Parts: sequence; structure tokens; C-alpha cells
Amino acid sequence: AQSVTQLDSHVSVSEGTPVLLRCNYSSSYSPSLFWYVQHPNKGLQLLLKYTSAATLVKGINGFEAEFKKSETSFHLTKPSAHMSDAAEYFCVVSTGGYQKVTFGTGTKLQVIP
Amino acid sequence: EAQVTQNPRYLITVTGKKLTVTCSQNMNHEYMSWYRQDPGLGLRQIYYSMNVEVTDKGDVPEGYKVSRKEKRNFPLILESPSPNQTSLYFCASSLNRPGQGYDEQFFGPGTRLTVL
Repeated sequence: AQSVTQLDSHVSVSEGTPVLLRCNYSSSYSPSLFWYVQHPNKGLQLLLKYTSAATLVKGINGFEAEFKKSETSFHLTKPSAHMSDAAEYFCVVSTGGYQKVTFGTGTKLQVIP
Repeated sequence: EAQVTQNPRYLITVTGKKLTVTCSQNMNHEYMSWYRQDPGLGLRQIYYSMNVEVTDKGDVPEGYKVSRKEKRNFPLILESPSPNQTSLYFCASSLNRPGQGYDEQFFGPGTRLTVL
């Protein structure tokens, strides 16, 4: 089985300050982990993915995530928030042995000017 | 253009009236999936398909059916819709099945369904 927990349903930051969106996962196998972003009234776009090649993953728009196996975490970070980052972010886990894909419940990021 | 298309984009219907939401991808992807998105619950997987004629239940399959007769198409069927199926639905596809690399999903634009 597998599960994903996004620890914050809402995060609010000021423009230009760092962003941290937290995600913990549980998986019986080596997981594939993803972050997707959904802007208001839009579809979902892949930000980045981890598939065991490197623990620090760089994505689009300056976002990064670090896979920490000992902590079962895959937190998303960005050094400096931009107004255009305001969106909902989803952490996602999938595993080869399980075939399903599991989404977290999402974190809404608000960026204050 | 590589894409996943869904139709219709918006649908208002009444309880019990059968409906189908179509999904098509032009990327020769093996894995396809349907999700519903509800506030505070994220996206939940309804059904998935690992290839033609191979489908399986996701986490919330009750009240839904799917078929995969061709690799590119994966329609979602609601035989007797009920108000609790009012939701935003997304179709997605990936080149490979989970865990096999190139398993990131590409999403359709969504279908907003209201069942009265």
C-alpha cells in the first residue's frame, strides 16, 4: 500500500521569501514521487519528479525537492516566491509493485505582495 | 501537439441518466487513468488501465465503469449518475506504468460534472 500526507492545507508567504511545502509518504516499495501544480481553474502540470537517480531534484520555475528516505519526506522548496507561484500543489506517490497513483490532499500557496 | 483531450468540458445532468466522458491521448501512452477532484480531498483515482483491455479499480471505483478497446481512448461511463458524483474529473496518461520510468502523467483539461 502507499499513502501521501501533505502537512499543510494552506501556506502563506510574502513575495520574495522562501517557500516550503511539506510532504510525507508511505510506500512498501521504492517510490516514484512527484509534485504537480494546479493554477486556478487550470489543469495539472508536472513540477518535478524523483525516481531514485538523485535525492535533490530540480524542477521548473525554480522549485526543488529533496528525497529523504530516513524521514520518508519529499518537501518542495523555492528560494524566493513570485506572485505567479500562487496555486495549489499536490504531492504524488506511485510504486511499480502497486500500479495505483496516490495524490495528497493538496497545499494552497498564497503569495502576498 | 501532444495532448490529452476530454469531452465534454462541462456537463449538467440529472440523476439516473447515463453519461460518458471521453478521453483520448495522442502520445501512444500505455497507462491511462481517471481521477475525481473534490475540495479538501485532492485527486482520487477512479480507474486505471495498463494497456488495451487491461483495466483495474482505483480507490473510488463505485458507480463508474471504464473500457480500453483502443490504446488512445479511455472513456469513463456513469451508468446511473447520482448527486454525490458531482465533481471535477481528470483523465491522465503516462508512457509507462508506475515505477517503470517515464511514468509522469499528462493531464487533460478536466470535465466539470454536475448531477442534479
